[in-house]
Amino acid sequence: EPEVTQTPSHQVTQMGQEVILRCVPISNHLYFYWYRQILGQKVEFLVSFYNNEISEKSEIFDDQFSVERPDGSNFTLKIRSTKLEDSAMYFCASRLTGGSGNTIYFGEGSWLTVV
Amino acid sequence: GEDVEQSLFLSVREGDSSVINCTYTDSSSTYLYWYKQEPGAGLQLLTYIFSNMDMKQDQRLTVLLNKKDKHLSLRIADTQTGDSAIYFCAENSGYSTLTFGKGTMLLVSP
Repeated sequence: EPEVTQTPSHQVTQMGQEVILRCVPISNHLYFYWYRQILGQKVEFLVSFYNNEISEKSEIFDDQFSVERPDGSNFTLKIRSTKLEDSAMYFCASRLTGGSGNTIYFGEGSWLTVV
Repeated sequence: GEDVEQSLFLSVREGDSSVINCTYTDSSSTYLYWYKQEPGAGLQLLTYIFSNMDMKQDQRLTVLLNKKDKHLSLRIADTQTGDSAIYFCAENSGYSTLTFGKGTMLLVSP
């Protein structure tokens, strides 16, 4: 069964450093997402991406964050100048089309620890 | 904004049925989902139900939807120790993104 893959599975970084989290969505999917889950808290929406541009973003997704689809397969989340509170599990997800009837498939997550 | 609420913890014995409950506020929700998260792992889609359905059954899983009360439940029959995980309720409407609950930790004891 096709799946969303994410790398790295775990990254430790120093405060102030830049981090890039990588995702390979399911190949024929058109909508891509990043969500995050701070330990013990809800899974929160960060951003959605379609047709090479951001279609929706949450309040969390400020200027510190950016997304890119550098080629036909990868979808990246860049976090500039990381803060301690950025420590979380970051989930990439993809969906075939935007309608709610199409299931969102999540990757296994990238656990980011900022020290 | 939309909100999804779940009880935080449920403990059952192996072989019993588990019922995990969820309430949501968005009356325009069109799809409601149950995701499973095992320790250190990602979000696995278990099942989903369209808002014009009352019930959906998939092997050991039964989803009940009371749209009037905005209440969703997941019943796991013959619960096994491998079912121990966090279960997330989530909803969306139209083209919007998913709104998740905080998750219910299910602990199955032998």
